[in-house]
Amino acid sequence: GAVVSQHPSRVICKSGTSVKIECRSLDFQATTMFWYRQFPKQSLMLMATSNEGSKATYEQGVEKDKFLINHASLTLSTLTVTSAHPEDSSFYICSAPLTGALYEQYFGPGTRLTVT
Amino acid sequence: KQEVTQIPAALSVPEGENLVLNCSFTDSAIYNLQWFRQDPGKGLTSLLLIQSSQREQTSGRLNASLDKSSGRSTLYIAASQPGDSATYLCAVIGKSSGDKLTFGTGTRLAVRP
Repeated sequence: GAVVSQHPSRVICKSGTSVKIECRSLDFQATTMFWYRQFPKQSLMLMATSNEGSKATYEQGVEKDKFLINHASLTLSTLTVTSAHPEDSSFYICSAPLTGALYEQYFGPGTRLTVT
Repeated sequence: KQEVTQIPAALSVPEGENLVLNCSFTDSAIYNLQWFRQDPGKGLTSLLLIQSSQREQTSGRLNASLDKSSGRSTLYIAASQPGDSATYLCAVIGKSSGDKLTFGTGTRLAVRP
């Protein structure tokens, strides 16, 4: 099956700093990637759709100036949490779909962000 | 707006038991439905994908069914094992939501040895 990686897997940062999370599709190209956030014991909440070569589209209630998304190539999307605060601490997961009739999505292993 | 619900929220069964997880969705206009497994602190592993034109898919001890008209899907796990313990999530791609997955609330499964 298709493989999606994320880096880093865990990051601890101080309040006020920025953190970048990378999402890579290792063996396929993805013109679209998705970024999710997951709080403990809750389901995934879609934050934004990352579009290669164009601006990301954000879900309602997600601050685009706080969560910067860049999709510079067909295999890499990055999420930067700017001026992080403790309430940004969460599990961030990306996914990339295989285009075609099935449109099956493959997920990265996630990044645990802790803001102190 | 599509809403996806999973019942039960949590389930604990003894090893060897057959079990059924339920997923319901409010808008039947979907492209497909996907079942995932998530271990604590980990990402999602795709288990089965059912296209809207299909009624079921099987992989090993897993069988997923889809009744699009009633907005329901079930995931059947045969002869459960402790290694099956995880959270199971269903998700749909709706025809009105572009390419986005809408996730269910999840079922936390514990299989006791």
